[in-house]
Amino acid sequence: GAGVSQSPSNKVTEKGKDVELRCDPISGHTALYWYRQSLGQGLEFLIYFQGNSAPDKSGLPSDRFSAERTGGSVSTLTIQRTQQEDSAVYLCASSPRDTSYNEQFFGPGTRLTVL
Amino acid sequence: AQTVTQSQPEMSVQEAETVTLSCTYDTSESDYYLFWYKQPPSRQMILVIRQEAYKQQNATENRFSVNFQKAAKSFSLKISDSQLGDAAMYFCAYCLWYGGSQGNLIFGKGTKLSVKP
Repeated sequence: GAGVSQSPSNKVTEKGKDVELRCDPISGHTALYWYRQSLGQGLEFLIYFQGNSAPDKSGLPSDRFSAERTGGSVSTLTIQRTQQEDSAVYLCASSPRDTSYNEQFFGPGTRLTVL
Repeated sequence: AQTVTQSQPEMSVQEAETVTLSCTYDTSESDYYLFWYKQPPSRQMILVIRQEAYKQQNATENRFSVNFQKAAKSFSLKISDSQLGDAAMYFCAYCLWYGGSQGNLIFGKGTKLSVKP
């Protein structure tokens, strides 16, 4: 079946603009994670959605970052007033359920470049 | 807080030879998972191998095996009979298991593996 998909693949924006990054998880996966991969910080956890529970936002670096998940499926990560330090690859992962360990399946990522 | 450390930014191995990538982690928890992920230039993260902390036996997946030393908080990856397709970034990762629920992954900085023909 189809894997996790992310769009766009690449995004170039100007400092101060808002951007939206999209993640389509594997069908039926209830858990969804966002990570950021940057040269200076490596791979960092951003936010985690599990079913209808309140998301774990503990990894969001500032209030300019937000994410939502509509209908328990597609998720959008929004970065407002982008800064150059936001330049990174944003990875999304999904997992089947949370009652026992399940592998996180990753998408190909969105490379964000803030000029 | 849990941390994962990979002390080798880059490694190189000759095709068909064996290479070991190092990883140490720090946690005060007892229930957790450890992983090695591979990331080729395509950016796609691929799970290579997984180890449950409660299992003493080291995990193996074909040419990939781990040396899990829980007391030392060490988790190295051994790649046997290295192939050109093994060239990639390798990330060690930790995931806390609590209350029947898994947490997010915590990653090391990665080791770039080159395979020489």
